[in-house]
Amino acid sequence: DGGITQSPKYLFRKEGQNVTLSCEQNLNHDAMYWYRQDPGQGLRLIYYSQIVNDFQKGDIAEGYSVSREKKESFPLTVTSAQKNPTAFYLCASRDGLYGYTFGSGTRLTVV
Amino acid sequence: AQKITQTQPGMFVQEKEAVTLDCTYDTSDQSYGLFWYKQPSSGEMIFLIYQGSYDEQNATEGRYSLNFQKARKSANLVISASQLGDSAMYFCAMREPSGSARQLTFGSGTQLTVLP
Repeated sequence: DGGITQSPKYLFRKEGQNVTLSCEQNLNHDAMYWYRQDPGQGLRLIYYSQIVNDFQKGDIAEGYSVSREKKESFPLTVTSAQKNPTAFYLCASRDGLYGYTFGSGTRLTVV
Repeated sequence: AQKITQTQPGMFVQEKEAVTLDCTYDTSDQSYGLFWYKQPSSGEMIFLIYQGSYDEQNATEGRYSLNFQKARKSANLVISASQLGDSAMYFCAMREPSGSARQLTFGSGTQLTVLP
């Protein structure tokens, strides 16, 4: 079955450490997105990519970086510059005007 | 800039009753799309219903219907015959117009609790 796989499901980061969240899709979608969700709040856009080797900053890109070397993969790195990284991270892809597919998310906690 | 407003942080409904979750939006674009998603405690986003700005009929999907009032810029979700499994967080979202990245902008959500 086609879909989006996010890993790991839970991730713990020490202060000052960079961590990378994986997002892989087998839907052949060009557009991919990373969202952050804080408790009791909606999703906010971090980065998006409409095509391989191209990506753009979203509303809250500071402290994050991405790459898009393959159509299937859109990893998100949470750098040490992100001062409050504890959150739930969702990856999504899009087909057409309303065919959005979301992954099951990664819950990141700073320890 | 776009904005989605959900004014009900929490709602309670009795099982088998209908419930309306409010959503208002703000955009100057003529072409846009409106979505409702359900997020259970496990975290995944489950697509419920979609309404295009040019659609003249209100969208319906099973027990879900979208009350679209374009002039008032509202897109309320109506869930009929609530079930215990409907207890979850519900998000209204809007898609940016064509030509852009077409990302979704989300409201802050409504936590729905269905009471037995």
